[in-house]
Amino acid sequence: VQLVESGGGLVKPGGSLRLSCAASGFNFGTYTMIWVRQAPGQGLEWVSSISSSTADIYYADSLKGRFTISRDNTKNSLYLQMTSLKVEDTAVYYCARVDLWLVHFDYWGQGALVTVSS
Amino acid sequence: EIVLTQSPGTLSLSPGERATLSCRASQSVSSSYLAWYQQKPGQAPRLLIYAASSRATGIPDRFSGSGSGTDFTLTISRLEPEDFVVYYCQLYGSSPLYIFGQGTKLEIK
Repeated sequence: VQLVESGGGLVKPGGSLRLSCAASGFNFGTYTMIWVRQAPGQGLEWVSSISSSTADIYYADSLKGRFTISRDNTKNSLYLQMTSLKVEDTAVYYCARVDLWLVHFDYWGQGALVTVSS
Repeated sequence: EIVLTQSPGTLSLSPGERATLSCRASQSVSSSYLAWYQQKPGQAPRLLIYAASSRATGIPDRFSGSGSGTDFTLTISRLEPEDFVVYYCQLYGSSPLYIFGQGTKLEIK
């Protein structure tokens, strides 16, 4: 199992960024996937999750509609579209696979750093 | 909203000692929904324990989990130098869907 994030970088407040997560080594279309972020020196925060069929999508309340999660099972890829970015969105963003019981996260990517600064 | 509180924030011990890390939920939860992760500096978290007491694949048997209701514990029986990192508990909840504790840092005394 391998998860590789890409698309991180430096963006100005109010800007947008799209993260990608390329999955391999498992049947991607079978699993719920999530994004988790970690601000510098801080703990882990769940951001969003998407079920295998995209029928169930959830977001942390703090995001207030600014982020959109999606996936393309034909490309074994997970995405996070981030808009109206704020300085406090600065973090390492991890994609992770959710176990089949939807309870815990059994594989993680290495993370993508998003820095929001003017 | 359920809150997970980990204690202590920092635990100072020596290699070879036993570590006991606590994770307390603000209301009773199913033990099936409680997991523990280890995070080394600059790395992604790694799943250690799921369903409160089941070790994930490849995790050494010096790591064990226990608990029920509101109180859960991660125990490391004999600390190795590589164990001195940060540990998080995590819960599958309702709103928010997934909750993390604030973490416990294990440091060398």
